[in-house]
Amino acid sequence: GPKVLQIPSHQIIDMGQMVTLNCDPVSNHLYFYWYKQILGQQMEFLVNFYNGKVMEKSKLFKDQFSVERPDGSYFTLKIQPTALEDSAVYFCASSFPGDDTQYFGPGTRLLVL
Amino acid sequence: SQWGEENLQALSIQEGEDVTMNCSYKTYTTVVHWYRQDSGRGPALIILIRSNEREKRSGRLRATLDTSSQSSSLSITAAQCEDTAVYFCASPTGGADRLTFGKGTQLIIQP
Repeated sequence: GPKVLQIPSHQIIDMGQMVTLNCDPVSNHLYFYWYKQILGQQMEFLVNFYNGKVMEKSKLFKDQFSVERPDGSYFTLKIQPTALEDSAVYFCASSFPGDDTQYFGPGTRLLVL
Repeated sequence: SQWGEENLQALSIQEGEDVTMNCSYKTYTTVVHWYRQDSGRGPALIILIRSNEREKRSGRLRATLDTSSQSSSLSITAAQCEDTAVYFCASPTGGADRLTFGKGTQLIIQP
């Protein structure tokens, strides 16, 4: 089936540093999402993105977070600066207009020390 | 039941048994997604049920949706070891296709 790729699979950084998480969505999809999952807890919506713009963001999408997809390349989540509570698994998803199904990537495990 | 304040639930059964996982939600929804997440991987949609369906089947999976009680269930018939995974219910809330996920059920099938 359609695959979403995420790079890197793991990232360890020091608190205060910047990190960029990369997502390669399904090729013809137009909606893109980021979700955050802390170990043992439910997945929580961060943000969705369409036509170069943020459509909706949750309270978890702090001012230190930003997303973009320059020129149809990777859909990225940047955190600058990082905080300890940003440690989690971040999942990217994509979907096609009119399709209920969101396809998820394998996640990036971020550890902030 | 997945939504609410409880933590990730764990359920262990023997291979060949049937199992039902429940999900209740706080806001009205007309569609419930059931996702399966294998260890180290992202969630994958396994069945989607809409309010006009009440019940939907896909192989050994059966989903129900009761809008009056705001609850949904996922049943697996004759569970197999490869069914071991975490199962989440999710529904679109707040517009623009954001999904709200339940806490999840860790299902372990013992051989």
